[in-house]
Amino acid sequence: QSVLTQPPSVSGAPGQRVTISCSGSSSNIGAGHDVHWYQQLPGTAPKLLIYDNTKRPSGVPDRFSGSKSGTSASLAITGLQAEDEADYYCQSYDSTLSAYVFGTGTKVTVL
Amino acid sequence: QVQLQESGPGLVKPSGTLSLTCAVSGVSISSSDWWGWVRQSPGKGLEWIGQIYQTGSTNYNPSLSSRVSISIDKSKNHFSLRLTSVIAADTAVYYCARHKTATTSLDYWGQGTLVTVSS
Repeated sequence: QSVLTQPPSVSGAPGQRVTISCSGSSSNIGAGHDVHWYQQLPGTAPKLLIYDNTKRPSGVPDRFSGSKSGTSASLAITGLQAEDEADYYCQSYDSTLSAYVFGTGTKVTVL
Repeated sequence: QVQLQESGPGLVKPSGTLSLTCAVSGVSISSSDWWGWVRQSPGKGLEWIGQIYQTGSTNYNPSLSSRVSISIDKSKNHFSLRLTSVIAADTAVYYCARHKTATTSLDYWGQGTLVTVSS
Protein backbone atom coordinates (compact mmCIF):
# COMPACT_ATOMS: atom_id res chain seq x y z
CA GLN A 1 0.00 0.00 0.00
CA SER A 2 2.62 2.51 -1.16
CA VAL A 3 1.55 6.13 -0.83
CA LEU A 4 3.96 7.24 -3.55
CA THR A 5 2.92 6.19 -7.05
CA GLN A 6 5.36 5.54 -9.88
CA PRO A 7 4.79 4.15 -13.40
CA PRO A 8 5.51 0.39 -13.45
CA SER A 9 7.89 0.72 -16.37
CA VAL A 10 9.59 3.11 -18.74
CA SER A 11 11.85 2.36 -21.66
CA GLY A 12 14.12 4.13 -24.07
CA ALA A 13 16.82 3.59 -26.63
CA PRO A 14 20.47 4.16 -25.76
CA GLY A 15 21.26 7.86 -25.68
CA GLN A 16 17.67 8.91 -25.13
CA ARG A 17 16.19 10.75 -22.15
CA VAL A 18 13.63 9.11 -19.89
CA THR A 19 11.78 10.46 -16.88
CA ILE A 20 10.19 8.69 -13.93
CA SER A 21 7.43 10.38 -11.98
CA CYS A 22 6.67 9.99 -8.28
CA SER A 23 3.21 11.15 -7.28
CA GLY A 24 2.44 11.82 -3.63
CA SER A 25 0.07 13.91 -1.56
CA SER A 26 -0.21 16.79 0.88
CA SER A 27 1.03 14.60 3.74
CA ASN A 28 4.34 13.68 2.15
CA ILE A 29 5.87 15.42 -0.88
CA GLY A 30 3.30 18.22 -0.75
CA ALA A 31 4.06 18.80 2.92
CA GLY A 32 7.58 19.81 1.98
CA HIS A 33 9.33 16.56 2.82
CA ASP A 34 12.35 15.86 0.68
CA VAL A 35 12.33 13.21 -2.04
CA HIS A 36 15.17 10.77 -2.61
CA TRP A 37 15.76 8.30 -5.42
CA TYR A 38 17.37 4.85 -5.39
CA GLN A 39 18.62 2.58 -8.15
CA GLN A 40 18.37 -1.16 -7.60
CA LEU A 41 20.25 -3.38 -10.01
CA PRO A 42 19.05 -7.00 -10.22
CA GLY A 43 19.96 -8.99 -7.12
CA THR A 44 21.58 -6.08 -5.33
CA ALA A 45 20.75 -3.61 -2.59
CA PRO A 46 19.30 -0.21 -3.44
CA LYS A 47 21.84 2.54 -4.09
CA LEU A 48 21.21 6.19 -3.27
CA LEU A 49 21.02 8.09 -6.56
CA ILE A 50 19.52 11.48 -5.68
CA TYR A 51 18.92 12.96 -2.23
CA ASP A 52 17.14 16.06 -1.00
CA ASN A 53 15.23 16.34 -4.30
CA THR A 54 18.12 17.39 -6.52
CA LYS A 55 21.50 16.47 -4.99
CA ARG A 56 23.76 13.73 -6.30
CA PRO A 57 26.03 11.73 -3.97
CA SER A 58 29.68 11.61 -4.94
CA GLY A 59 30.23 9.21 -7.83
CA VAL A 60 26.74 9.42 -9.34
CA PRO A 61 26.95 10.59 -12.97
CA ASP A 62 25.36 13.92 -13.81
CA ARG A 63 23.17 12.06 -16.33
CA PHE A 64 20.87 11.55 -13.36
CA SER A 65 18.88 14.54 -12.10
CA GLY A 66 15.94 15.09 -9.80
CA SER A 67 13.23 17.67 -9.45
CA LYS A 68 10.24 18.32 -7.23
CA SER A 69 7.11 20.40 -7.64
CA GLY A 70 3.95 20.45 -5.58
CA THR A 71 2.96 16.91 -4.63
CA SER A 72 5.19 15.22 -7.22
CA ALA A 73 8.81 14.60 -8.04
CA SER A 74 10.68 13.31 -11.07
CA LEU A 75 13.91 11.54 -11.90
CA ALA A 76 15.44 12.14 -15.31
CA ILE A 77 18.07 10.01 -16.97
CA THR A 78 19.74 11.57 -19.99
CA GLY A 79 22.04 9.74 -22.38
CA LEU A 80 20.48 6.40 -21.38
CA GLN A 81 22.98 3.55 -21.16
CA ALA A 82 22.59 -0.23 -20.99
CA GLU A 83 23.93 -0.19 -17.42
CA ASP A 84 20.99 2.01 -16.36
CA GLU A 85 18.62 -0.92 -16.74
CA ALA A 86 17.34 -1.36 -13.19
CA ASP A 87 14.47 -0.68 -10.81
CA TYR A 88 14.15 2.87 -9.47
CA TYR A 89 12.37 3.91 -6.28
CA CYS A 90 11.46 7.30 -4.85
CA GLN A 91 11.28 7.82 -1.08
CA SER A 92 9.98 10.52 1.23
CA TYR A 93 8.46 10.94 4.68
CA ASP A 94 4.74 10.91 5.41
CA SER A 95 3.51 13.07 8.27
CA THR A 96 0.15 11.32 8.57
CA LEU A 97 1.67 7.84 8.69
CA SER A 98 4.70 9.04 10.71
CA ALA A 99 6.82 6.79 8.54
CA TYR A 100 9.32 6.88 5.74
CA VAL A 101 7.60 5.75 2.55
CA PHE A 102 8.82 4.38 -0.75
CA GLY A 103 7.34 4.59 -4.20
CA THR A 104 5.88 1.60 -6.03
CA GLY A 105 9.02 1.29 -8.15
CA THR A 106 9.73 1.69 -11.86
CA LYS A 107 11.59 -0.74 -14.08
CA VAL A 108 13.73 1.00 -16.68
CA THR A 109 14.40 -0.99 -19.83
CA VAL A 110 17.02 0.02 -22.37
CA LEU A 111 15.80 -1.03 -25.80
CA GLN B 1 34.39 3.32 3.87
CA VAL B 2 31.13 2.65 5.68
CA GLN B 3 29.98 -0.96 5.40
CA LEU B 4 26.97 -2.76 6.82
CA GLN B 5 26.44 -6.53 6.99
CA GLU B 6 23.28 -8.33 8.03
CA SER B 7 23.34 -11.71 9.73
CA GLY B 8 20.81 -14.07 11.21
CA PRO B 9 18.70 -17.17 10.53
CA GLY B 10 17.39 -17.53 7.00
CA LEU B 11 14.39 -19.60 8.07
CA VAL B 12 11.86 -18.80 10.79
CA LYS B 13 8.77 -20.78 11.70
CA PRO B 14 5.33 -19.13 11.59
CA SER B 15 4.46 -17.44 14.91
CA GLY B 16 8.15 -17.38 15.76
CA THR B 17 10.52 -14.44 16.15
CA LEU B 18 12.77 -13.07 13.44
CA SER B 19 16.09 -11.75 14.78
CA LEU B 20 18.74 -10.07 12.66
CA THR B 21 21.90 -8.16 13.45
CA CYS B 22 23.62 -5.48 11.38
CA ALA B 23 27.36 -5.15 11.88
CA VAL B 24 28.68 -1.68 11.06
CA SER B 25 32.28 -1.00 10.04
CA GLY B 26 34.15 2.06 8.89
CA VAL B 27 32.28 4.38 11.24
CA SER B 28 31.27 4.40 14.88
CA ILE B 29 27.63 3.56 15.45
CA SER B 30 27.79 6.25 18.14
CA SER B 31 28.07 8.92 15.46
CA SER B 32 25.26 11.38 14.95
CA ASP B 33 23.35 9.13 12.58
CA TRP B 34 20.18 7.12 12.63
CA TRP B 35 20.35 3.45 11.67
CA GLY B 36 17.45 1.62 10.08
CA TRP B 37 15.89 -1.49 8.63
CA VAL B 38 14.07 -1.87 5.29
CA ARG B 39 12.56 -5.01 3.80
CA GLN B 40 11.56 -6.15 0.32
CA SER B 41 9.15 -9.01 -0.24
CA PRO B 42 9.99 -11.24 -3.23
CA GLY B 43 9.28 -9.38 -6.43
CA LYS B 44 7.81 -6.43 -4.53
CA GLY B 45 8.76 -2.94 -3.44
CA LEU B 46 10.59 -1.53 -0.43
CA GLU B 47 9.06 -1.11 3.03
CA TRP B 48 10.63 0.91 5.84
CA ILE B 49 10.58 -0.99 9.14
CA GLY B 50 12.13 1.41 11.64
CA GLN B 51 15.19 3.27 12.87
CA ILE B 52 17.31 3.76 15.98
CA TYR B 53 19.63 6.52 17.20
CA GLN B 54 22.76 6.06 19.27
CA THR B 55 20.83 7.05 22.38
CA GLY B 56 18.46 4.15 21.83
CA SER B 57 15.63 6.36 20.65
CA THR B 58 13.51 4.54 18.06
CA ASN B 59 10.84 5.16 15.45
CA TYR B 60 8.83 2.35 13.90
CA ASN B 61 6.51 1.93 10.93
CA PRO B 62 3.05 2.01 12.53
CA SER B 63 2.03 -0.98 10.41
CA LEU B 64 4.63 -3.10 12.23
CA SER B 65 5.09 -1.28 15.53
CA SER B 66 3.19 -3.83 17.63
CA ARG B 67 5.61 -6.58 16.57
CA VAL B 68 8.95 -4.87 15.97
CA SER B 69 11.80 -3.69 18.16
CA ILE B 70 15.22 -2.35 17.24
CA SER B 71 18.13 -2.22 19.66
CA ILE B 72 21.71 -0.96 19.53
CA ASP B 73 24.95 -2.28 21.03
CA LYS B 74 27.58 0.42 20.88
CA SER B 75 30.28 -1.84 22.36
CA LYS B 76 29.93 -4.18 19.37
CA ASN B 77 29.18 -1.46 16.84
CA HIS B 78 26.02 -3.18 15.72
CA PHE B 79 22.26 -2.85 15.88
CA SER B 80 19.54 -5.48 15.78
CA LEU B 81 16.01 -6.12 14.56
CA ARG B 82 13.44 -8.27 16.28
CA LEU B 83 10.06 -9.07 14.68
CA THR B 84 7.65 -11.25 16.62
CA SER B 85 4.67 -13.40 15.62
CA VAL B 86 5.90 -13.72 12.05
CA ILE B 87 3.70 -14.94 9.21
CA ALA B 88 4.39 -15.93 5.62
CA ALA B 89 3.92 -12.32 4.52
CA ASP B 90 7.02 -11.39 6.53
CA THR B 91 9.14 -13.40 4.09
CA ALA B 92 11.46 -10.84 2.55
CA VAL B 93 14.98 -9.64 1.99
CA TYR B 94 15.87 -7.55 5.01
CA TYR B 95 18.31 -4.67 4.58
CA CYS B 96 20.00 -2.58 7.22
CA ALA B 97 20.96 0.95 6.23
CA ARG B 98 22.24 4.27 7.51
CA HIS B 99 20.11 7.38 7.40
CA LYS B 100 22.37 10.00 5.85
CA THR B 101 23.26 12.81 8.24
CA ALA B 102 20.92 15.80 8.12
CA THR B 103 18.62 14.21 5.52
CA THR B 104 15.92 11.56 5.49
CA SER B 105 17.67 9.50 2.82
CA LEU B 106 19.50 6.20 3.28
CA ASP B 107 23.04 6.44 2.00
CA TYR B 108 24.69 3.15 2.95
CA TRP B 109 23.00 -0.24 2.71
CA GLY B 110 23.90 -3.78 3.63
CA GLN B 111 23.74 -6.44 0.94
CA GLY B 112 20.52 -7.80 2.40
CA THR B 113 19.57 -11.17 3.83
CA LEU B 114 16.62 -13.33 2.80
CA VAL B 115 14.42 -14.50 5.64
CA THR B 116 11.79 -17.11 4.80
CA VAL B 117 8.88 -17.77 7.13
CA SER B 118 7.88 -21.39 6.72
CA SER B 119 7.26 -24.49 8.78
